[in-house]
Amino acid sequence: EDQVTQSPEALRLQEGESSSLNCSYTVSGLRGLFWYRQDPGKGPEFLFTLYSAGEEKEKERLKATLTKKESFLHITAPKPEDSATYLCAVQADGSEKLVFGKGTKLTVNP
Amino acid sequence: DADVTQTPRNRITKTGKRIMLECSQTKGHDRMYWYRQDPGLGLRLIYYSFDVKDINKGEISDGYSVSRQAQAKFSLSLESAIPNQTALYFCATSGSYEQYFGPGTRLTVT
Repeated sequence: EDQVTQSPEALRLQEGESSSLNCSYTVSGLRGLFWYRQDPGKGPEFLFTLYSAGEEKEKERLKATLTKKESFLHITAPKPEDSATYLCAVQADGSEKLVFGKGTKLTVNP
Repeated sequence: DADVTQTPRNRITKTGKRIMLECSQTKGHDRMYWYRQDPGLGLRLIYYSFDVKDINKGEISDGYSVSRQAQAKFSLSLESAIPNQTALYFCATSGSYEQYFGPGTRLTVT
């Protein structure tokens, strides 16, 4: 069974304090790994897709990396507006289903 | 205008009532999905559709039905609502790999 585990469940940072969020996964053939940002009461907002081990993608203060067992979302010099829940999901080859982790709730204090 | 819209945004209904949630998209995508999100459980797939003639069950389809009225419209129905269907419901669309989510419908069944 495909599974996604995100850690930590919650993370508090001071503005400017860089850190990383972890997404460990097991999947029967990876079609893609996805990172989303979700603000309270809103739908998940697509951030990145990673397809193969070694791949990296960046957007502003965020950088996502992928190995064969896990993905990291690195946040460099975060700002309060980066506060949100970050969701990781995997999609297996031949499947339409995204298997989501439970998310990491990030709070960045000014 | 938002690419994926959902109506209603909030709904309170009573046990046993029939309710329909609607989703429309302007992204021109063929694939559409319905998910529910529960605290501590993450997002789970209810139904998905490749086109108006192709409807598929997800992992938690019991108690739900769907209708794909057009490429741009995908509705989710609860034939006889029960309290454990209280959740946040999201519609999503996809043209290839990434799925793009709507703003959600908060449904409460009393």
